[in-house]
Amino acid sequence: EAQVTQNPRYLITVTGKKLTVTCSQNMNHEYMSWYRQDPGLGLRQIYYSMNVEVTDKGDVPEGYKVSRKEKRNFPLILESPSPNQTSLYFCASGRQGGSYEQYFGPGTRLTVT
Amino acid sequence: DAKTTQPPSMDCAEGRAANLPCNHSTISGNEYVYWYRQIHSQGPQYIIHGLKNNETNEMASLIITEDRKSSTLILPHATLRDTAVYYCIVRGAWAGNMLTFGGGTRLMVKP
Repeated sequence: EAQVTQNPRYLITVTGKKLTVTCSQNMNHEYMSWYRQDPGLGLRQIYYSMNVEVTDKGDVPEGYKVSRKEKRNFPLILESPSPNQTSLYFCASGRQGGSYEQYFGPGTRLTVT
Repeated sequence: DAKTTQPPSMDCAEGRAANLPCNHSTISGNEYVYWYRQIHSQGPQYIIHGLKNNETNEMASLIITEDRKSSTLILPHATLRDTAVYYCIVRGAWAGNMLTFGGGTRLMVKP
């Protein structure tokens, strides 16, 4: 089954404790992306990757890192999480280009205390 | 990418067609119209997209006006499980893959 998976689905952590949220897709997509969703602010893009070893900032990249060492994986790294990074995070993937649809993961709900 | 305008909320009776409008009066010639939906706090789900012609798939139909300044997503027989926020997004083929989500329309399907 074609899908985007994220782990963990739920995470409660403390300020400053490094964490990684994993994202994996099995559709051989070139493009992968991370979004965060907050009440009243909608979905905002954090980082994206056009292909292996190619990453770029989205609208809200501060406090986040990403890497794309393999085509199928695109982990989101929070080196020193802060309470304002409490949010619902979604990973997405798609074929290269603006005429193709994207597929989203189930989401990771992160709480930073 | 062109900006879109959608009504914030709509109701629909179960079993009836749900018609969700979207205005995109500044759309450019090579920009696609995409529809996604988000059920509760699940990941957004792709529904359908089109450029100029009307499109239909197993989930919905997309009607794009001839001048392309507006479109309508049609769910032919809405069910309670279609209750969700529906997003209309306009994106150019040259703009890469970034999706800009607006406020969307909250569709409530009622029994």
